Amino acid sequence: DTGVSQDPRHKITKRGQNVTFRCDPISEHNRLYWYRQTLGQGPEFLTYFQNEAQLEKSRLLSDRFSAERPKGSFSTLEIQRTEQGDSAMYLCASSLDRTSGMNNEQFFGPGTRLTVL
Amino acid sequence: QQQVKQSPQSLIVQKGGISIINCAYENTAFDYFPWYQQFPGKGPALLIAIRPDVSEKKEGRFTISFNKSAKQFSLHIMDSQPGDSATYFCAASRTDSWGKLQFGAGTQVVVTP
Repeated sequence: DTGVSQDPRHKITKRGQNVTFRCDPISEHNRLYWYRQTLGQGPEFLTYFQNEAQLEKSRLLSDRFSAERPKGSFSTLEIQRTEQGDSAMYLCASSLDRTSGMNNEQFFGPGTRLTVL
Repeated sequence: QQQVKQSPQSLIVQKGGISIINCAYENTAFDYFPWYQQFPGKGPALLIAIRPDVSEKKEGRFTISFNKSAKQFSLHIMDSQPGDSATYFCAASRTDSWGKLQFGAGTQVVVTP
């Protein structure tokens, strides 16, 4: 399967614990996005990477959240001191840079569902 | 502030009928308008997309109609099938904003046999 993969698919944790999610984008894609989706809502943008550089962070991304994309390949999203309000589906998407002539088609992974007890 | 407003929240259509979902936006800098389909427990999957230089795009049973002056676009699903039962999201993005997508709240479509 050459699509976007995310791990784990489900994570249950207790309030106050730290969690880390991983995203493996489509191999040739240099753009990587993280979104958060709560029940009954559309995905909300969290952060964006162009290769290994984190170029934009949403105000939704509090200082308890940190994302990395070392070497411009896979990415990790860490949430420290989790709160019940962090419970959501965390989606990763990747795309090719528009300057390459391709459109901005973003391919989404299956998501990681986080439940904070 | 929701930049893309989607309606209806849900709709039920009979097999073979037409499903119509509408979206409206405010930011005239948006220049890419995709529709995504999402099944329970799955990530969104791109269905069809349009740019503001065309008024309509058709792919199979799915058609996007785009009205630039009204800042509205819609998805039409022709000959709806039970397998089309899913949640549909419209979205919009700007070329100068890294392509990040602003999503609507979604429409849950149920196609009855």
